[in-house]
Amino acid sequence: GESVGLHLPTLSVQEGDNSIINCAYSNSASDYFIWYKQESGKGPQFIIDIRSNMDKRQGQRVTVLLNKTVKHLSLQIAATQPGDSAVYFCAENSQDSSYKLIFGSGTRLLVRP
Amino acid sequence: DAEITQSPRHKITETGRQVTLACHQTWNHNNMFWYRQDLGHGLRLIHYSYGVHDTNKGEVSDGYSVSRSNTEDLPLTLESAASSQTSVYFCASSDPGLDEQYFGPGTRLTVT
Repeated sequence: GESVGLHLPTLSVQEGDNSIINCAYSNSASDYFIWYKQESGKGPQFIIDIRSNMDKRQGQRVTVLLNKTVKHLSLQIAATQPGDSAVYFCAENSQDSSYKLIFGSGTRLLVRP
Repeated sequence: DAEITQSPRHKITETGRQVTLACHQTWNHNNMFWYRQDLGHGLRLIHYSYGVHDTNKGEVSDGYSVSRSNTEDLPLTLESAASSQTSVYFCASSDPGLDEQYFGPGTRLTVT
């Protein structure tokens, strides 16, 4: 498949380790945040989301943390597997109260065997 | 199973040609979106629609148009293709009650 972005920040982790991917968002009024995973040649796939009335939300092997004070979002992946290798995007809802999402530029996660 | 599909998956066209990319979803979602994805820019919104006969411009709408004649389809038209429109195009849809968007597999468009 085609490359999503050759100049993306890259996080390289050992298989089995935990991964932490960070994201800074822009609008303090945003009340919804979402993480997507994009594998090469595919469309973005929903991982987990969180609303601003929460600080933490857990899914299967993934946790999202929200720090509204510093406008920071993180995605933690436990026991990282080779299948987790992908580009990860954070997104926030648009400040005009529409259903639009504003996407970050992405982080590439590489899992070393 | 409900899904969102895009066609074609790959397209090569010449500068100045009109090109239409198809997007079809079977979730019965009212909201549909078109994005382009380029190196270093992430996903940028081209056009979006909140229902039949509704269309709105996104941040990079110049040179593109959409129409919404039914709930399932939102075709994207490049009126006169330019080399700057070489990109990967993604369609997405969402339920008005939820913010999560579901994405199609993408169309890689090359304008020569």
